[in-house]
Amino acid sequence: AQKVTQAQTEISVVEKEDVTLDCVYETRDTTYYLFWYKQPPSGELVFLIRRNSFDEQNEISGRYSWNFQKSTSSFNFTITASQVVDSAVYFCALSEADGGATNKLIFGSGTLLAVQP
Amino acid sequence: DTAVSQTPKYLVTQMGNDKSIKCEQNLGHDTMYWYKQDSKKFLKIMFSYNNKELIINETVPNRFSPKSPDKAHLNLHINSLELGDSAVYFCASSPRLAGGLYNEQFFGPGTRLTVL
Repeated sequence: AQKVTQAQTEISVVEKEDVTLDCVYETRDTTYYLFWYKQPPSGELVFLIRRNSFDEQNEISGRYSWNFQKSTSSFNFTITASQVVDSAVYFCALSEADGGATNKLIFGSGTLLAVQP
Repeated sequence: DTAVSQTPKYLVTQMGNDKSIKCEQNLGHDTMYWYKQDSKKFLKIMFSYNNKELIINETVPNRFSPKSPDKAHLNLHINSLELGDSAVYFCASSPRLAGGLYNEQFFGPGTRLTVL
């Protein structure tokens, strides 16, 4: 069965620290997609990244970077030089590509990141 | 110019009432979804529609009835509201890539439902 585990419930850092949010997933499929979404205090869900199972290259976007490792079924997210505006709940999600008309997202329980000034 | 919009943003109602939440997307996407986020922030899919056809129904009580009048709209009607229905309900949409591949889902701002 599909499952996404975000073991860190809450993380608190001081501004400018680096922080890594962990995500471990379970799936029996060989083709799947992984996502990270951000939910700031205002409540909306903001898409950050999509990665498919055949692309294990790490990705960097500004202060954000993602480390995808199939060997450990992990898709970790690092924020470098964190800022107060990074304070939010971050969700990791999984979707299997069944070739159907639609796919559901299986979300982890989220990690609340608090960045203190 | 909002991509995925939901109305209302807040909904406070009494137990036993019937209420609806509306969702519209102007992205031209084929697929729309409803997700529920509970008080512990846990997000779970409820329904998915593709071109007005119901594709996913995740064992949601039949008090919840989605309706898609066209592929740009997916409404959620809830009968006989219960305390446990209090949550934030998110609508989302996604395009479908060629070959059945998948793309990210774009979420609406959410509707916070409070049942008293």
